Amino acid sequence: KNEVEQSPQNLTAQEGEFITINCSYSVGISALHWLQQHPGGGIVSLFMLSSGKKKHGRLIATINIQEKHSSLHITASHPRDSAVYICAVYNNNDMRFGAGTRLTVKP
Amino acid sequence: NAGVTQTPKFQVLKTGQSMTLQCAQDMNHEYMSWYRQDPGMGLRLIHYSVGAGITDQGEVPNGYNVSRSTTEDFPLRLLSAAPSQTSVYFCASSMDTTITSGYTFGSGTRLTVV
Repeated sequence: KNEVEQSPQNLTAQEGEFITINCSYSVGISALHWLQQHPGGGIVSLFMLSSGKKKHGRLIATINIQEKHSSLHITASHPRDSAVYICAVYNNNDMRFGAGTRLTVKP
Repeated sequence: NAGVTQTPKFQVLKTGQSMTLQCAQDMNHEYMSWYRQDPGMGLRLIHYSVGAGITDQGEVPNGYNVSRSTTEDFPLRLLSAAPSQTSVYFCASSMDTTITSGYTFGSGTRLTVV
């Protein structure tokens, strides 16, 4: 079993829909990282959080340390949000990654 | 600022050849790291460095060497390439390892070993 599990693996949505991507992990962590990988391959750091919630524009990330679970929400989704979203857990300079969720937003 | 610069973008090697993947950052970041990304496996940490002169192993270090002689540069060396090292390699840097530091990734190097 992977240390970091993401669901769903693939997600297709219509423009404007509310999106939720989930991440569960089985190891102790000091922080959790959400990344976005564009269709061209480039990777962008979205959030790094250790508790509660963070918001940036239409993106919201939450984490529940006790339940070892994090969610990434996208409000009012847009075709430009189409990408692979990757969850990673961080502890003591080591980072372990989920396999990613491929999101496609159709106009 | 250029951010994190990786070279080359593409490389084909023959089994047994050696090469160095270059990674440079101009943000004065202390933490630098190398990852490989394989289909179905996600990203995996190869080696990391928390500052000049300090390196450590990640999840999949075998077959790779690193050094950190300056803050700016963190090269990844393949001493004897194997087909199992065919992958996309990403370098990343961060100001430090605290929660507030975001990561900046390079654009990746696609390596094929034949």
